[in-house]
Amino acid sequence: QVLRQESGPGLVKPAGTLSLTCTVSGDSISNSYWNWIRQYPGKGLEWIGYFYYPETTNYNPSLKSRVTLSLDTSRHQFSLRLTSVSAADTAVYYCARSFGSRPINYIDHWGQGTLVTVSS
Amino acid sequence: SSELTQDPAVSVALGQTVKITCQGDSLRGYYASWYQQKPGQAPVLVMYAKDRRPSGIPSRFSAFDSGDTASLTITGAQAEDEADYYCHSRDGTGDHLFGGGTKLTVL
Repeated sequence: QVLRQESGPGLVKPAGTLSLTCTVSGDSISNSYWNWIRQYPGKGLEWIGYFYYPETTNYNPSLKSRVTLSLDTSRHQFSLRLTSVSAADTAVYYCARSFGSRPINYIDHWGQGTLVTVSS
Repeated sequence: SSELTQDPAVSVALGQTVKITCQGDSLRGYYASWYQQKPGQAPVLVMYAKDRRPSGIPSRFSAFDSGDTASLTITGAQAEDEADYYCHSRDGTGDHLFGGGTKLTVL
């Protein structure tokens, strides 16, 4: 299993901060793109952003002001931090590895997903 | 446009052939990749880079890219192929894009 999502708070209060971590197996942490993707209940997929070692990030413009991604190579982990959450952020959150260079790009590994509910 | 458009639902008789399509300007710059998602599970990559299949994906899955349109074809659909299918690409700024998904029903 290349990606293992660590247990995190499944319930976050409105206006609070959502934090999730994913652990990477193997030696690919410094040469792959590490993404967070979410899926609203019963609906489609939304890309949140990616981190590429050592410090390149790219965020979905609709979330950019609230998102921070980080990578800890010593612990083989990458993390998501989403601030000022609301009910609209209730979703299953996936960590995922993407690979390739233009015109090829694909996501070859996904975490198991974590349901995060925003509610008081 | 930075969107990928898919038909919401498609059905196919068991053993027949079905094509799922995806349309968007971003497909002119990147090959589509395709993901199968079953209820309660994470998506699984089934096709990428125009016509490549990951290890373990049956050969009945194939893909084709032309201009702003990509398609996933299942030749001889099986009951276990019933799932949601998503196309994926990237836009000119490097942002990842997903289609809205197509629910495949095998009759």
